[in-house]
Amino acid sequence: DIQMTQSPSSLSASVGDRVTITCRASQGIRNDLGWYQQTPGKAPKRLIYGASSLQSGVPSRFSGSGSGTEFTLTISSLQPEDFATYYCLQHNTFPYTFGQGTNLEIK
Amino acid sequence: QVKLQQSGPGLVKPSQTLSVTCVISGDDISSTTSAWNWIRQSPSRGLEWLGRTYYRSTWYNEYAVSVRSRIDIDTETSKNQFSLHLNSVTPEDTALYYCSRQQLYDDAWRPFDYWGQGTLVTVSS
Repeated sequence: DIQMTQSPSSLSASVGDRVTITCRASQGIRNDLGWYQQTPGKAPKRLIYGASSLQSGVPSRFSGSGSGTEFTLTISSLQPEDFATYYCLQHNTFPYTFGQGTNLEIK
Repeated sequence: QVKLQQSGPGLVKPSQTLSVTCVISGDDISSTTSAWNWIRQSPSRGLEWLGRTYYRSTWYNEYAVSVRSRIDIDTETSKNQFSLHLNSVTPEDTALYYCSRQQLYDDAWRPFDYWGQGTLVTVSS
């Protein structure tokens, strides 16, 4: 299985901060990567697909980059509604695998 | 707008079969550009992809190795729904189960876009 190592596992930040979350794949996955946001009691919501394409309706403060084995999700200026848990997902090779999540908390 | 509506029992006894159904609206289960997935989430295992089904002149299934001997995903096209069946369950299968759609675009699969609301299944006697 491809291991997706996500860091950090938790992060404290303030409104207006710029934050970056990283996902590292144990082998190359081209750009077959998505980023998701999950809030308590809700299903994950897709933010980014193809490593860097912004999902329609998602604010432009979210951006993704990377290819191969290293990927990042950046939130340029945190808003109160952004405090949530974030996951990466590789869909290059079966079984599809998720990162373990980054819990973004208010400082 | 695509919507996935899940249903299923919340409690299953050990060794029995867990079944969850996902009814699709806003898309056709037999669409040749969609695949229908099951994913579960638990504190101990995180998010775990279980399998998917899709139609390309015939139905295809792909399953995670971790559950391959116990899983079946079937479809009922007349009701535009698909179901997860996981047999011989143990308390380790206690999780929140999600159905989700995947789309084929320019010959490449995109990651899951629409998700069901989740069904919490507890395995306990």
